[in-house]
Amino acid sequence: GENVEQHPSTLSVQEGDSAVIKCTYSDSASNYFPWYKQELGKRPQLIIDIRSNVGEKKDQRIAVTLNKTAKHFSLHITETQPEDSAVYFCAVTYNFNKFYFGSGTKLNVKP
Amino acid sequence: GAVVSQHPSRVICKSGTSVKIECRSLDFQATTMFWYRQFPKKSLMLMATSNEGSKATYEQGVEKDKFLINHASLTLSTLTVTSAHPEDSSFYICSARRSGGPTDTQYFGPGTRLTVL
Repeated sequence: GENVEQHPSTLSVQEGDSAVIKCTYSDSASNYFPWYKQELGKRPQLIIDIRSNVGEKKDQRIAVTLNKTAKHFSLHITETQPEDSAVYFCAVTYNFNKFYFGSGTKLNVKP
Repeated sequence: GAVVSQHPSRVICKSGTSVKIECRSLDFQATTMFWYRQFPKKSLMLMATSNEGSKATYEQGVEKDKFLINHASLTLSTLTVTSAHPEDSSFYICSARRSGGPTDTQYFGPGTRLTVL
């Protein structure tokens, strides 16, 4: 099955700085890569996603890059704000058959 | 975005009882729903994939007789934890696959906190 690794497990940044979280995966057939933000006790919320036919996608302060050859993808958050503090999960799937999640990154944005 | 509900949001039960959790897609039809389990400060672990009108597909290590899944309609899937024990205490989250349109998307329910005494 798929093996997804996510780093770092915790990340502290100063407000206004950028944050980068990286995930690697093992199955080259995987073709959909979403990122979720989860606040304590709440459901995961989709914040951005990318499909295997695209190398980069941006939505305001959030961007995702995908390197299919190296089998890794990264979440980039620029101009971080305290409300960005949460746990972020990457996920990987092939055609929505199953989703495999990374172990999560706790992001702390210090004001 | 699309809405997925879960009921109940929180349940406390005695050891040995069964608990049913409902997952509903409120504004779209979901042929596929997923059930996850999440331990404190941990990631989501896929338990099973629920397909409307057919048997659920369970992940390795998940007891199908312990965690009964029924996907009776295109908007409802249920997870029943049978003969619950304290080690079954966890946060259970469902998600529903929304198909159609340019791309598929997965939407999560708000989760159910199960505590078994």
